[in-house]
Amino acid sequence: KQEVTQIPAALSVPEGENLVLNCSFTDSAIYNLQWFRQDPGKGLTSLLLIQSSQREQTSGRLNASLDKSSGRSTLYIAASQPGDSATYLCAARGGATNKLIFGTGTLLAVQP
Amino acid sequence: AAGVIQSPRHLIKEKRETATLKCYPISRHDTVYWYQQGPGQDPQFLISFYEKMQSDKGSIPDRFSAQQFSDYHSELNMSSLELGDSALYFCASSDTGGFWYNEQFFGPGTRLTVL
Repeated sequence: KQEVTQIPAALSVPEGENLVLNCSFTDSAIYNLQWFRQDPGKGLTSLLLIQSSQREQTSGRLNASLDKSSGRSTLYIAASQPGDSATYLCAARGGATNKLIFGTGTLLAVQP
Repeated sequence: AAGVIQSPRHLIKEKRETATLKCYPISRHDTVYWYQQGPGQDPQFLISFYEKMQSDKGSIPDRFSAQQFSDYHSELNMSSLELGDSALYFCASSDTGGFWYNEQFFGPGTRLTVL
């Protein structure tokens, strides 16, 4: 059974810092991994999708990497801004099913 | 292009009542997924449909049922509502074509409150 965990659970950084969010999954047989952003009480905004055959994806100040063999993905946020404050969720799409298994999330606060 | 549409956005019901949530996928998307996110929790997969057939089933209570219609929209029917059903319900769609690696696009969610 696929399990997805995220470390740290919460993170507070000053504006301008570069930061890394971590995501681990137990079953390496994934189709892809998605990173989402969720503002309090709001919907899920897809940030990046990495297919199992890819190593990384970039969008603006965001860079996500995937290492299937070690069961890890990281989301790198460069030059963080207060507007980046939100909960970040990673979700793995498993090989035996098409559903997304979500991680526990990292609550990010960027202090101005 | 329009994204995934969910209605209603907010719904308040009493215990033991029924509720119907609707999802309109992105045009030409053939697969719909339903997720439930309880307060302070991560989203949990409920059920999915591909070409109007159930394709996968997660932790969906027997009190819930869902279907996908000929125009690909989907409805989640919830009966005998309980306080614990209060949650944010997301619908997502993808253009699968039988390939499960395509991206899922999420709707804004329906917030259900059971009193």
